[in-house]
Formats: sequence, structure tokens, C-alpha cells
Amino acid sequence: EADIYQTPRYLVIGTGKKITLECSQTMGHDKMYWYQQDPGMELHLIHYSYGVNSTEKGDLSSESTVSRIRTEHFPLTLESARPSHTSQYLCASSKTEVNSPLHFGNGTRLTVT
Amino acid sequence: GDSVTQMEGPVTLSEEAFLTINCTYTATGYPSLFWYVQYPGEGLQLLLKATKADDKGSNKGFEATYRKETTSFHLEKGSVQVSDSAVYFCALRQGGSEKLVFGKGTKLTVNP
Repeated sequence: EADIYQTPRYLVIGTGKKITLECSQTMGHDKMYWYQQDPGMELHLIHYSYGVNSTEKGDLSSESTVSRIRTEHFPLTLESARPSHTSQYLCASSKTEVNSPLHFGNGTRLTVT
Repeated sequence: GDSVTQMEGPVTLSEEAFLTINCTYTATGYPSLFWYVQYPGEGLQLLLKATKADDKGSNKGFEATYRKETTSFHLEKGSVQVSDSAVYFCALRQGGSEKLVFGKGTKLTVNP
């Protein structure tokens, strides 16, 4: 059973469209993350947040942006989608305590045509 | 920087075979170590973790021991099932760091 929810599960859109991937968690976690998973399965951190009004860029440069207006909500937006954005996007959250594990959503598989 | 190296897959086993997936890491200090599992079409789930040297994490018949002397955290299971077919990720997290550093994943297929 998932305490972290991502919508949509699958999305196929055309080039140039603006999209928002939704992520919500009900665990009260302060920390939230977005990972991009390439077809070879490798995971890359693209954004994270310490809490409300906090957003940071991850290791992999991304043209996406994020916002954190509420603790439970961490949406990711692409202003103008391109085929190179085709990937799986995984949202995660964790407690504040040092070395707490991450809890992941089921992901959004994005295809840009 | 910190890094995790996993044995390359894919790994194909018959049901009830013994499983080992090797994982070694490079890190300063004393990171916490994790194994995550990703079933087809799903996100990652925490399988087990260990937070200090010589700790053994275990869950669902899987085990891994934090070996600081060999900087390893190998995943083992004595008898795999078809339902264990998934991708397994080894990961580390340094104290105070926001980042979970993942290995590249190892795909396991178990045949009946």
C-alpha cells in the first residue's frame, strides 16, 4: 500500500506541451525528492526539498522545475516538453532523521512524441 | 565522491537457487547502506538496511551484512522464488546528506 501517490501513472504528450507531474504523501515527511530513471534503470536525483518553500537542484541537470507550497505536495513541471524528457519520474519522501530511508511512489512514465 | 558499484545483470536463476548480488561502495565516513527492490511497473521499495559496520539487515528471506573492511553490502537469499523477479538497487546515504546514491541496478529473473 502506497503512502506516496503519483499521478498520472502514464502520460503521452506532444512536443512543446506544458505538463505537471503530481506527487503527494500522507506521512508528514519534510523531505521530498524527484528522481529520473532512464531506460537502463539508472536513477538520477533531479530535485529535492527540505520542507515548505525549500527547493534544491539535484545531481542531474534538468529543465524541469518544482514547488513546495504544502508539506504533502511536491509537483514537478516541464514548461515545454521534448522527446529527450521521455523517462520514468519517481517521487520519494523521507523523515528528517539522519539516514532515514526514502519511500517511493509508483512513478510516472512520460513519453514525449 | 561517493559511489556504489553493483554486479552487472541480468541474473537468471531457477526457483530455489541461491542468490548473491554483489555490492561495493566508496565513501568517506560511515554511510548507511540500503537495498531497494523495484517490481515491474512499480516504484522502489525498501528491502533492508544497515546503519553501521557489522549490522545485518534482513527482510523476506533476504540478508545483507555491512562489511566496512571490504566496503561491501552483498545481498543474499537462500532460495529464490519466481515472485522475487525484480530489479535490485544497492544504495548509500551519508549522515547529513540529502542524497541517496544508487548503484545501477541488477535485474533478477527467476524461472519456475
